[in-house]
Amino acid sequence: DIQMTQSPSFLSASVGDRVIITCRASQTITRHLNWYQQKPGKAPNVLIYAASSLQSGVPSRFSGTGSGTDFTLTISSLQPEDFASYYCQQSYSTPLTFGGGTRVESK
Amino acid sequence: EVQLVESGGGLVKPGGSLRLSCVASGFTFSDSSMNWVRLAPGKGLEWVSSISSTSNSIYYADSVKGRFTISRDNAKNSLFLQMNSLRDEDTAVYYCARDDYSDYLSIYFYYMAVWGNGTTVTVSS
Repeated sequence: DIQMTQSPSFLSASVGDRVIITCRASQTITRHLNWYQQKPGKAPNVLIYAASSLQSGVPSRFSGTGSGTDFTLTISSLQPEDFASYYCQQSYSTPLTFGGGTRVESK
Repeated sequence: EVQLVESGGGLVKPGGSLRLSCVASGFTFSDSSMNWVRLAPGKGLEWVSSISSTSNSIYYADSVKGRFTISRDNAKNSLFLQMNSLRDEDTAVYYCARDDYSDYLSIYFYYMAVWGNGTTVTVSS
């Protein structure tokens, strides 16, 4: 099974900050890496797919980079609505696996 | 409007069973592969199971293999998860999610693009 290690698990930031979340796969997953945002009590929402493709309707302040085993999600300027949990997920092989999540909270 | 609506959650004792349903609307359900994903209290997202559009390919997480069964009825635009031998650790919100994909040089990149609002399963004596 492919393990996904996400860091940090918790992040305290202010509106306007640049936020970077990293995700490392235990083996190469080429670019089969997706990022999701989840707010309390709500369903997850895909932000980035195929490592760097922005899902339709997602603000351009979100971006993804990486290939192989190392990936990043960047929020260029944190907005109030971005305080949430973020998860990476590999779709390279089953079992599909998620990272442990990053909770972004207001400083 | 593209929509997924789950139902069937509830309180069940350890060892009991539940059947979750997910009804799709606003898209061609029979063309889509589908997933169940869960979020346990205080934990992160966990993939549970996937089924292809024709039910030819089915996959399970090790944590539920042999206890859970995924199925679908394309005529009724419905996805199901039969959960048997439930354990405390199965307590979670269960989401159904539709796979989308992007095609780049004949390589398919899958992602879960549409999600339901979830149904809560509580396993407790």
